[in-house]
Amino acid sequence: DAGVTQSPTHLIKTRGQQVTLRCSPKSGHDTVSWYQQALGQGPQFIFQYYEEEERQRGNFPDRFSGHQFPNYSSELNVNALLLGDSALYLCASSRQGFGEKLFFGSGTQLSVL
Amino acid sequence: DQQVKQNSPSLSVQEGRISILNCDYTNSMFDYFLWYKKYPAEGPTFLISISSIKDKNEDGRFTVFLNKSAKHLSLHIVPSQPGDSAVYFCAAVNAGNNRKLIWGLGTSLGVNP
Repeated sequence: DAGVTQSPTHLIKTRGQQVTLRCSPKSGHDTVSWYQQALGQGPQFIFQYYEEEERQRGNFPDRFSGHQFPNYSSELNVNALLLGDSALYLCASSRQGFGEKLFFGSGTQLSVL
Repeated sequence: DQQVKQNSPSLSVQEGRISILNCDYTNSMFDYFLWYKKYPAEGPTFLISISSIKDKNEDGRFTVFLNKSAKHLSLHIVPSQPGDSAVYFCAAVNAGNNRKLIWGLGTSLGVNP
């Protein structure tokens, strides 16, 4: 039973570029949440997708957008990258109604130069 | 405004002894609390949780205590093992805000053989 998988594992971009990160949830899970974790910080909630719609959103600008596909996989898109977007991006999946017990992927380490 | 505070960035304990990790919160709307463990290059993994209607929950070597009046919870690991060395995050669920998960900054635990 595969857990949460994320791709790519590492990514280097330059300021102003756009990036797409991908996530496949754990089997049986229908809800995907995205988090940003900067060095020395706890995970910061970006948004959550369920039934292909954004259900909740944290305090992130519109440069951060996402999508959920019918197979429950998800993408995180970040436009006009800033140096401050450098962080570990974590995808977490859960079952609707059990949203607190998240299963995380290993993350995508994004470096913006 | 850090609503979930883990005031000790790091903790060092001898193998076999007790590890106590502390977490304080400020929002009285939090009604469910979780601890996650994170190894380097991996996503956080769920460890143990407690509802606000309880004051203790135990799972093997891990026990979480909740003191609602003090808005304080702690995670006890007995006995500590070298494999417990990781970053531990405390997280709280806000019953009044779509059950968003609010994370602390983490405590890095080192268990010395």
